[in-house]
Amino acid sequence: NAGVTQTPKFQVLKTGQSMTLQCAQDMNHEYMSWYRQDPGMGLRLIHYSVGAGITDQGEVPNGYNVSRSTTEDFPLRLLSAAPSQTSVYFCASRTDPTGGFWPLHFGNGTRLTVT
Amino acid sequence: AQKVTQAQTEISVVEKEDVTLDCVYETRDTTYYLFWYKQPPSGELVFLIRRNSFDEQNEISGRYSWNFQKSTSSFNFTITASQVVDSAVYFCALSELNTGNQFYFGTGTSLTVIP
Repeated sequence: NAGVTQTPKFQVLKTGQSMTLQCAQDMNHEYMSWYRQDPGMGLRLIHYSVGAGITDQGEVPNGYNVSRSTTEDFPLRLLSAAPSQTSVYFCASRTDPTGGFWPLHFGNGTRLTVT
Repeated sequence: AQKVTQAQTEISVVEKEDVTLDCVYETRDTTYYLFWYKQPPSGELVFLIRRNSFDEQNEISGRYSWNFQKSTSSFNFTITASQVVDSAVYFCALSELNTGNQFYFGTGTSLTVIP
C-alpha cells in the first residue's frame, strides 16, 4: 500500500516557468489537499478537493491551479513560477471529506526552488 | 487570528529529560478535533494522535502523553525520558466541524534532544 505518492521530490524552476506537481493516493480517499510549508509559517492550505470534479481554495491559492478528474489524482499546477513560491509542498488525503476526526495522510513532499 | 498557537519555536533538552510541547487553540465551534504530527529530519509528516472536543480524557502511549484541557484551550504534548530519535518538528493542528473540517496547523516546535 503506497499511500500518498508525490512526484517529483525536488524541482528547480526559473521565474516564469510552469510545472505540475503530481499527487496520487491509493486509499480511495475522497478528500485531497495541497499544503505549502515555509519556515516559521507552519503548513498553509493551498487548495483542496472533497471528491472528483470538486475543488476549492484554501488559505493561499494565488498562483496555483488544481483539478480533480479522478479520485486517485490531484495535481497542483504552477502557471508562472515566482521566487515567492519557493517552498516545500505536501499533498495530503483523508478518508472522509466531512469527517474532521479523520487524520490527514501526507505524501513525502516536493521541495521546489524558483530562481 | 491564528487558530493554533505553538509559542515554543525551538526547544533543546538533554537525553532522558522530560519535555512538554505547548499548543493553544482558538475556536467557537463546540465540535472540533485536535491533532499532533511529527516531522523528523527526513521531512515526512507522521500522524501521532487525535482528540475530539467531547473527550477530555488524557492519553498515554509509551513515553508520549497528551493533556487536553478545554478550560484553557490547550492540547499539550509531553515526552518522558526523551531520546535522540524524538528530535523533530512537532505540529499541532485543529479541525472544525463548521469550517468544513479544514485543518489549521500551528507553526511547529522544533525539538532537539542532545545525547
